[in-house]
Amino acid sequence: AQSVTQLGSHVSVSEGALVLLRCNYSSSVPPYLFWYVQYPNQGLQLLLKYTTGATLVKGINGFEAEFKKSETSFHLTKPSAHMSDAAEYFCAVSEHGTASKLTFGTGTRLQVTL
Amino acid sequence: DTAVSQTPKYLVTQMGNDKSIKCEQNLGHDTMYWYKQDSKKFLKIMFSYNNKELIINETVPNRFSPKSPDKAHLNLHINSLELGDSAVYFCASSRPSGGTDTQYFGPGTRLTVL
Repeated sequence: AQSVTQLGSHVSVSEGALVLLRCNYSSSVPPYLFWYVQYPNQGLQLLLKYTTGATLVKGINGFEAEFKKSETSFHLTKPSAHMSDAAEYFCAVSEHGTASKLTFGTGTRLQVTL
Repeated sequence: DTAVSQTPKYLVTQMGNDKSIKCEQNLGHDTMYWYKQDSKKFLKIMFSYNNKELIINETVPNRFSPKSPDKAHLNLHINSLELGDSAVYFCASSRPSGGTDTQYFGPGTRLTVL
């Protein structure tokens, strides 16, 4: 069975600082990996995803993530945090199949301070 | 234009009651999903339908019954509500592509069982 571990349930950074949100996965087959963001009282929105090809994936709002098979990681980064980045971030892994059965991590709440 | 919509947004009810949550998507997707997000923000898939056919059915109590009258709609009916059913329920849709598809989430329905 596939699983995702997000280290750090809360991460706090200063505005303008580097954002690093960690995600490690467990999968017996090459994984499909996703980062979703959830703003307060809203649904989830895709930030980026890795399926095949280039291991450095760029997403919306300046975020990017790098798939590292040797480390079974898919960490999310952004060079400079903005106040509007404050949200809950979820890493997820998908099974190969007809439909995406997403298995989510427990989420990381990002706080951005002045 | 709302891509994935859910009604109601909030639902407060007593234990033992029966309630329904409706979901509609106007993205032309073939696959729809129901997720449950608990008080700790943990997200777990409950059901998935592809072209009105049930394809994912996780270990969910029989009190939960999804119904898909057509490709654009997926409703969730819950019988004999219990305190533990209190959560935020998210509907999502996607165009299936072997597990790589992006899921589009609705705004969620916050269910509170008293």
